[in-house]
Amino acid sequence: GDSVTQMEGPVTLSEEAFLTINCTYTATGYPSLFWYVQYPGEGLQLLLKATKADDKGSNKGFEATYRKETTSFHLEKGSVQVSDSAVYFCALYGGATNKLIFGTGTLLAVQP
Amino acid sequence: EPEVTQTPSHQVTQMGQEVILRCVPISNHLYFYWYRQILGQKVEFLVSFYNNEISEKSEIFDDQFSVERPDGSNFTLKIRSTKLEDSAMYFCASSPGAGDRGYTFGSGTRLTVV
Repeated sequence: GDSVTQMEGPVTLSEEAFLTINCTYTATGYPSLFWYVQYPGEGLQLLLKATKADDKGSNKGFEATYRKETTSFHLEKGSVQVSDSAVYFCALYGGATNKLIFGTGTLLAVQP
Repeated sequence: EPEVTQTPSHQVTQMGQEVILRCVPISNHLYFYWYRQILGQKVEFLVSFYNNEISEKSEIFDDQFSVERPDGSNFTLKIRSTKLEDSAMYFCASSPGAGDRGYTFGSGTRLTVV
């Protein structure tokens, strides 16, 4: 079945460091891909999405490119801030059913 | 911005007791969902609900679980005879239609079974 694998955390970075969180997927067909973020005490918020191969989703300085050839959707940010500390979830939506399939989440801790 | 509201934020219950987790979806949304996340594990789909009936459910969603839309605004998840392994964060979500557009999550209810 469809699945998402993302790098385990926690990821600890200093402010202004470069961030990469790896995500790969397995799916039949052509899923949409997402990154969700969960700040402490809050719900899951959509950070960015991409719906087809080579699309780049971007928001708040974060980017991810839908790579069909490597079945990946890695999250990147050039310069992280303390306020980016959160749990990041990679997810896919396959279209055949009305559900999202999530990875395990990666905790990012940014230190001043 | 419209929100999905979940109550309570944290619930502690004794093993064997019944719990009801409550959600108020976005008012013009038609599809409703429950997901859960056991600590350190994946966020897992439990059930989707449309037109007053379950449209899809996962293997996790067995006879211990039920969902209901008792009125025009609430969407509830009932867990009968809770077990220790039901301890998790439960997320409600809603969407205006089929498809991923507008899929909105609540902040979750942390259920602790002791």
